[in-house]
Amino acid sequence: QQQVKQSPQSLIVQKGGISIINCAYENTAFDYFPWYQQFPGKGPALLIAIRPDVSEKKEGRFTISFNKSAKQFSLHIMDSQPGDSATYFCAASIGGSQGNLIFGKGTKLSVKP
Amino acid sequence: GAGVSQSPSNKVTEKGKDVELRCDPISGHTALYWYRQSLGQGLEFLIYFQGNSAPDKSGLPSDRFSAERTGGSVSTLTIQRTQQEDSAVYLCASSPDRAETQYFGPGTRLLVL
Repeated sequence: QQQVKQSPQSLIVQKGGISIINCAYENTAFDYFPWYQQFPGKGPALLIAIRPDVSEKKEGRFTISFNKSAKQFSLHIMDSQPGDSATYFCAASIGGSQGNLIFGKGTKLSVKP
Repeated sequence: GAGVSQSPSNKVTEKGKDVELRCDPISGHTALYWYRQSLGQGLEFLIYFQGNSAPDKSGLPSDRFSAERTGGSVSTLTIQRTQQEDSAVYLCASSPDRAETQYFGPGTRLLVL
């Protein structure tokens, strides 16, 4: 049973466009939702994270929207750039008791110049 | 300061051999995690350490996999009698405490022939 479902698997966006990646979760005990960015040959790097007590968090061109009732959250990349081309993973965890992140399967983003 | 480091960066081994993968977490980080990333897949949790103890080993796929952590720092993941399906990137992450803000190393790419 996959606890965090991520879509789409791949995404092609033109430079300057908006990239949107969606995730849905099942376990209502999750209380921490990070997004990680991974470039080929590198480990994932934390991009932005949100807790369920807020509906939106913005850091520069990256925004997380969170819908607790729908158990969904999404990453929006505004003004997408070729340098944003990478694989993006959403994740969820129960902060404290279990200590491990449950990851989605990833979205490969390509931003065309 | 230095990030999470892993060694070796690449490892090619023959089926049936044992391998040891090393992780050096960020200094002072008490929590350490091992994940496995298979080609085109998301990250699969393997084991979590808090200090030298492992309260969550639920992700280890079989008894051929084991891990230890000494001195609250370096961790070693051992795979005995490697199989071809063990081929993957093994990622280590550390965090100051518990589940949040995990910082990943570059990974060890294991190929079992």
